[in-house]
Amino acid sequence: DSGVTQTPKHLITATGQRVTLRCSPRSGDLSVYWYQQSLDQGLQFLIQYYNGEERAKGNILERFSAQQFPDLHSELNLSSLELGDSALYFCASSSRATSGIPTDTQYFGPGTRLTVL
Amino acid sequence: AQTVTQSQPEMSVQEAETVTLSCTYDTSESDYYLFWYKQPPSRQMILVIRQEAYKQQNATENRFSVNFQKAAKSFSLKISDSQLGDAAMYFCAYRSAGYQLIWGAGTKLIIKP
Repeated sequence: DSGVTQTPKHLITATGQRVTLRCSPRSGDLSVYWYQQSLDQGLQFLIQYYNGEERAKGNILERFSAQQFPDLHSELNLSSLELGDSALYFCASSSRATSGIPTDTQYFGPGTRLTVL
Repeated sequence: AQTVTQSQPEMSVQEAETVTLSCTYDTSESDYYLFWYKQPPSRQMILVIRQEAYKQQNATENRFSVNFQKAAKSFSLKISDSQLGDAAMYFCAYRSAGYQLIWGAGTKLIIKP
């Protein structure tokens, strides 16, 4: 158990709908990362938050957005869903460092499997 | 931009034998981290081992060790005394200066009893 939790584990929805994926980082971790794992694209970085602020953006679609709340949990919002959005979505967190810079190792949650029908 | 290449889509090894998974990467950075993650059928992403680029000594974690060749930009994973529980997808990852991970395509490891 990495200490990172994600809900729900599975999500089945229809095209055009909107869903919210939730992630709670390990206790004390300030940095949260979202990744998408799909069959055709492999693992891709979506977005990173550090202590409530967006730190980096990867291949995240405009239909997708995320935020990190004061209690450090994060939510990934996916809207106007398409069949191609079906994937496993991972959240990861990394250790807090006294310097304020995330340390190197990311620990992953169990993922949310999204199926768009 | 950094890239990570795993050229072996699938590898198989006899139980108790040793297997090496290959990974190469491309970067212009001098300071970075490399990782191997394991993804069993449960789909959980589990950290296996990490290597700091500034360290010359190869990382070791029990039966898992790496061969880090910085000049060649190579980072292979050696699994000794393979066990049935080692069967999984193995991903090589590079941590960029922006902290996000850049992933290889993965190698499926099959353990033959």
